[in-house]
Amino acid sequence: DIQLTQSPSFLPASVGDRVTITCRASQGINSYLAWYQQKPGKAPKLLIYSASNLQSGVPSRFSGSGSGTEFTLTISSLQPEDFTTFYCQQFNSYPLTFGGGTKLEIK
Amino acid sequence: EVQLVESGGGLVKPGGSLRLSCVASGFTFSSYSMNWVRQAPGKGLEWVSSISRSSGEINYADSVKGRFTISRDNAKNSLYLQMNSLRAEDTAVYYCANRIDDGMDVWGQGTTVTVSS
Repeated sequence: DIQLTQSPSFLPASVGDRVTITCRASQGINSYLAWYQQKPGKAPKLLIYSASNLQSGVPSRFSGSGSGTEFTLTISSLQPEDFTTFYCQQFNSYPLTFGGGTKLEIK
Repeated sequence: EVQLVESGGGLVKPGGSLRLSCVASGFTFSSYSMNWVRQAPGKGLEWVSSISRSSGEINYADSVKGRFTISRDNAKNSLYLQMNSLRAEDTAVYYCANRIDDGMDVWGQGTTVTVSS
């Protein structure tokens, strides 16, 4: 099974900050990776698919990059509504797996 | 409006069964592979099962293999998850979601399954 390790698990930040979340795969997964945002009590929302493609309707402050085993999600200027939890997910092979999550907290 | 609506969750005793349903609207259900994903209280996301557009390819997480069965009825725009031999560790919110390229785009609101005596 492919393990996805997200770092950091918790990220204190302020409105307007530029932040980067990393997702490392235990083996190469090409670009078969997605990023999601989840607000408390809500379903996840797809932000980025195929590592770097911005899903329709998602603000351009979100961007994704990487291939192989290392991927990043960058938020260029944090907005108040961004202080939630983010997950990566790989689609290279079954079982599909998620990272453990990164919770953005207000500093 | 594009949406998925799950139903069928509830409280069940260990060893019991439940059947979850997910009804799609606003998009061509038969054109997408479908998935179940769950989230235990206070925990992260866990993929449970996937089914291809024509039901020809089905996959399960090891944690549910042999106990859960995924199926779909394209004529009814519906996805199902039959859950047998339920355990306390199956307690979670269960989401259905479709798949686009390498991502899950449309998600339901979730249905809660609680396994407890």
